[in-house]
Amino acid sequence: GNSVTQMEGPVTLSEEAFLTINCTYTATGYPSLFWYVQYPGEGLQLLLKATKADDKGSNKGFEATYRKETTSFHLEKGSVQVSDSAVYFCAHSFSGGYNKLIFGAGTRLAVHP
Amino acid sequence: DAMVIQNPRYQVTQFGKPVTLSCSQTLNHNVMYWYQQKSSQAPKLLFHYYDKDFNNEADTPDNFQSRRPNTSFCFLDIRSPGLGDAAMYLCATSRGSQGTSEKLFFGSGTQLSVL
Repeated sequence: GNSVTQMEGPVTLSEEAFLTINCTYTATGYPSLFWYVQYPGEGLQLLLKATKADDKGSNKGFEATYRKETTSFHLEKGSVQVSDSAVYFCAHSFSGGYNKLIFGAGTRLAVHP
Repeated sequence: DAMVIQNPRYQVTQFGKPVTLSCSQTLNHNVMYWYQQKSSQAPKLLFHYYDKDFNNEADTPDNFQSRRPNTSFCFLDIRSPGLGDAAMYLCATSRGSQGTSEKLFFGSGTQLSVL
């Protein structure tokens, strides 16, 4: 069935460290892939997306590449900031309705000065 | 300039007492979604509306109902809340015109506690 698996948190980093949050998915067909971010006290908001194999989504220094051969969409950032502390959700779309999303459980990132 | 507004932020109800959560949007989007998110778990889609067309997920319990009286508002009704229904409930919207790659806009959620 459809599912998303992402690395468990919390991930704790020092400012300016390199970030990777792993995400793999199981889906039929050719889903679109997303990363959503939830800052404390706020709703989820789209961080980046990719709609086909080998596409790279990028935003605010974050990047993720749609890897169909490994069914992965890992999130990376070269130098994290304290303001990046949040919960990150990987998701994929699936057919049967308007952009119905399957989410992973989320990975909490804490960045310390 | 909040775009998807959920009220209240925190809701406490008693076991078996009906409760309604509300969501409104200023985006004029066609599609509205309700997700349930239990602690440390993935948000799970309960149902969605495309305009007035209601779409229930196969595994959504009958205890959960929804109403969309107009474009701007959508309600989640829990007829007889159980302890297992305690969760964060997320409302989201999308335009409904871009297939499966659309951006969803989320509210801040309502945290439901069942005593």
